[in-house]
Amino acid sequence: AQSVTQLGSHVSVSEGALVLLRCNYSSSVPPYLFWYVQYPNQGLQLLLKYTTGATLVKGINGFEAEFKKSETSFHLTKPSAHMSDAAEYFCAVTLHNDMRFGAGTRLTVKP
Amino acid sequence: DSGVTQTPKHLITATGQRVTLRCSPRSGDLSVYWYQQSLDQGLQFLIQYYNGEERAKGNILERFSAQQFPDLHSELNLSSLELGDSALYFCASSVESGNGYTFGSGTRLTVV
Repeated sequence: AQSVTQLGSHVSVSEGALVLLRCNYSSSVPPYLFWYVQYPNQGLQLLLKYTTGATLVKGINGFEAEFKKSETSFHLTKPSAHMSDAAEYFCAVTLHNDMRFGAGTRLTVKP
Repeated sequence: DSGVTQTPKHLITATGQRVTLRCSPRSGDLSVYWYQQSLDQGLQFLIQYYNGEERAKGNILERFSAQQFPDLHSELNLSSLELGDSALYFCASSVESGNGYTFGSGTRLTVV
């Protein structure tokens, strides 16, 4: 069965610094991969997705992620962190039906 | 507004009781998914329905059941509630899984 592992339950960066949130997946065949963001007391919101084609995908709010099959990774990056980026981020994988989520990474942005 | 509506937003009930959570999917989405989110277990997939039929099952307890009605809304029934069932319950919908899911804002269940 497919699964994802998010490395680091908490990441703290300074405002303006690079954001890097790590995700590795496990799947017998190339899966669909996603990043979601969850703000306090809200549901999850889709940031970006990889299905097929270009391995570098751009999402909302300046985030992007690169699918690397050789490394089974799908890390999320943003060149310059903003205070409003503080939230919980979830990597997710699906093959056919149900989507499996990682444990989440809480991003803190320091002024 | 994501287009996925969940009611109620908050629910407080006693152990042993039964509750029903409701979800209306985004217009045009045939699939509905239920997830449980807790601090110790994270986001756990419970069950998926597609156009009225059960499509996939995850870590759903036997005390829990769900259904999807002809108008595509879905209900999650939780019975014989225990303290450990306290969590956020999310509903999500999609046209197909490759498009990603649209999540509702959740129902926070507190069992006392």
